[in-house]
Order: sequence, then C-alpha cells, then structure tokens
Amino acid sequence: DAGITQSPRHKVTETGTPVTLRCHQTENHRYMYWYRQDPGHGLRLIHYSYGVKDTDKGEVSDGYSVSRSKTEDFLLTLESATSSQTSVYFCAIGTTSGRFWLQYFGPGTRLTVL
Amino acid sequence: SQQGEEDPQALSIQEGENATMNCSYKTSINNLQWYRQNSGRGLVHLILIRSNEREKHSGRLRVTLDTSKKSSSLLITASRAADTASYFCATVSLNSGYSTLTFGKGTMLLVSP
Repeated sequence: DAGITQSPRHKVTETGTPVTLRCHQTENHRYMYWYRQDPGHGLRLIHYSYGVKDTDKGEVSDGYSVSRSKTEDFLLTLESATSSQTSVYFCAIGTTSGRFWLQYFGPGTRLTVL
Repeated sequence: SQQGEEDPQALSIQEGENATMNCSYKTSINNLQWYRQNSGRGLVHLILIRSNEREKHSGRLRVTLDTSKKSSSLLITASRAADTASYFCATVSLNSGYSTLTFGKGTMLLVSP
C-alpha cells in the first residue's frame, strides 16, 4: 500500500457543511493525487500535487480545494458539501518504476452527503 | 473526459475459464497500464505495456496493445475465484506529461467456484 493512509475512512455529513479529507504517506513521494470514484464513471482526477504548495487541477476540480503544506500530507476540502459529492475518494502517490510512471492507492474514504 | 473505455462492463465466468477484457483509448500514449480493485479497496497496479510493445506476459496475465486501433486487452488465464475484482486500464498520454494517468470506467469480473 506504499504507506498511504486516508482519514476518515467513512463520513456522513449534511449539505452545506465543510469537509476535509486527509491523505498521509510515509515514503516522501513528491506526487500525490485525489480521485473520486462513482458508478459508471470510473476514477476521475480531482486535484494533484507535485510538491509542497504545488498543486494543479484535474478533470473534476469544481467544488474542491486542496492543500499540501508538508510532503507527507495532502488535504482535500469540500468548502460546502453537496449531494453530488457523495462518492468514494481515493488518494494516490505517483512514483517511477524504471522509466515509467505508476500510482499506488490508499484504501479510500466513503463520503455521504445528505 | 475519460481516456479509456473498458469492455465489457461486467463479466461472469466459472473458475478455470479465461477472462478477456478490452480497453479503448483516444489519444496517443506513452504506455498503458492495468489496475485491479478488490471490493472496498484501492487500486493495485498489475502490468504496464509500452507503446512500442505488442504483447506482454506476467504470470497468468497477458496484455496486448494495438496502437493503430488504440486498444488493449487483458487476458487472465485459468481464472480463480480470487480474481473476482474490477479491472481498470489507465493511460499515460504523450501530451499530458508523465505525471498523470487517465483511467477508464472498469470491467467488473466475477469468477464463480
């Protein structure tokens, strides 16, 4: 699992409340990612980070913000949660294997917005 | 938009049979990867095939790549109940750099004892 943990693992919240999900890694990887997984859509990239304080948007970034103040932590924030953000959220780290890029995933956080 | 599209969406077979899953993609790629996801877990990397390769083997896995058709297939031979999982293809495109993967929607494989 490349030393990746996510917290919380499950969360139920109400529409309009702020939510922060945390991804923590122990192996000093530079690249970290947040995806959401929904039935019929597979995995879609929300945001990613290529270093401390260096982040970029992915395919479905609207309604989400991220922060990375330390190499080991990548936070995903829903400023005002909506029901459409009910999903399973996966964090991943990116690393090279030989000359090629691979990703290793955390266990996921199941978020329900009522 | 999704780069990869897996086919079929779901596949149900008996133990010992072979399972074949297909993936189509849209843009030129550097490499294509297959990942596996057990229920309730994160994705796990299975195998990578480079754009200049046509076939690759790893244990009971066989991956083919046809860049002219922008398609790949994953064959699992002599399947086992433990192979039950969802399988995703992911591409590294030539245009996006080497730091991002684009995933397909996945094929759900059920292997019955």
